[in-house]
Amino acid sequence: DAGITQSPRHKVTETGTPVTLRCHQTENHRYMYWYRQDPGHGLRLIHYSYGVKDTDKGEVSDGYSVSRSKTEDFLLTLESATSSQTSVYFCAISVIAGGPVTEQFFGPGTRLTVL
Amino acid sequence: AQSVTQPDIHITVSEGASLELRCNYSYGATPYLFWYVQSPGQGLQLLLKYFSGDTLVQGIKGFEAEFKRSQSSFNLRKPSVHWSDAAEYFCAVGSGTYKYIFGTGTRLKVLA
Repeated sequence: DAGITQSPRHKVTETGTPVTLRCHQTENHRYMYWYRQDPGHGLRLIHYSYGVKDTDKGEVSDGYSVSRSKTEDFLLTLESATSSQTSVYFCAISVIAGGPVTEQFFGPGTRLTVL
Repeated sequence: AQSVTQPDIHITVSEGASLELRCNYSYGATPYLFWYVQSPGQGLQLLLKYFSGDTLVQGIKGFEAEFKRSQSSFNLRKPSVHWSDAAEYFCAVGSGTYKYIFGTGTRLKVLA
C-alpha cells in the first residue's frame, strides 16, 4: 500500500459538465501520474507531475487538464466531459527502486461514466 | 518508438496447470521491465520487476519472469496456477524518464 487514495471512486455525469478527480498520497512522492484504462488499450498516460506546479502531457492529454498545488494532491479535470471519456482512471506514484530506476504504485481507480 | 506487445488477449488454463504469458517490447536502451496484476474492480499490483543482473526474476504469488534480450521478451510464468490467479496481467517497460509504457493486457481465466 503506497498510501494513494482517489476520490470519488465512482461518478456518473452528463456530457458537457466539468468533472474533477482527486488523487491524494501520504508519502511525499515527487512524481504522480494519471492514466486511463480502456478495454483493448491497457493503460494510457494522460498527464504526469514531477513536482508542485510542474506537470507535463502524456499520450492522451486532449480534453484533460491537471493541477498540483500541493505535493500530496494531484487533480485531473475534464473541462467539458464527453462520452469518449467514459473510462476507469488510475492515479499512480513513482518510488525510487535503486539508481535511476523507479517503480510505480497505483491507486484503487475511479470509474467515470459520461452519459 | 517504444512499445510493449502482449499478443494474447485471453488465456484459459486449468487449475494446477502451468502458465506462460508473453510480453515483447521495443526499446532502444536497457529496459526496465515490470509485470502487474489487476483483479476485477481493483487497482494494479506489482508482481515483479527486472532492472539488471540475473535474467530470471522471482516475484510475489509464485510468479517468475525471464528477460531474454535476444528475443526482446519478458514472459511471465507460474508452474501451477491457482483459481485465485484469475485476473488481468499487464507488462510494462520503464522508459528511464519516470514514464512507463503498458501493454494492452492478457486476461487469464482459470478452470476448476
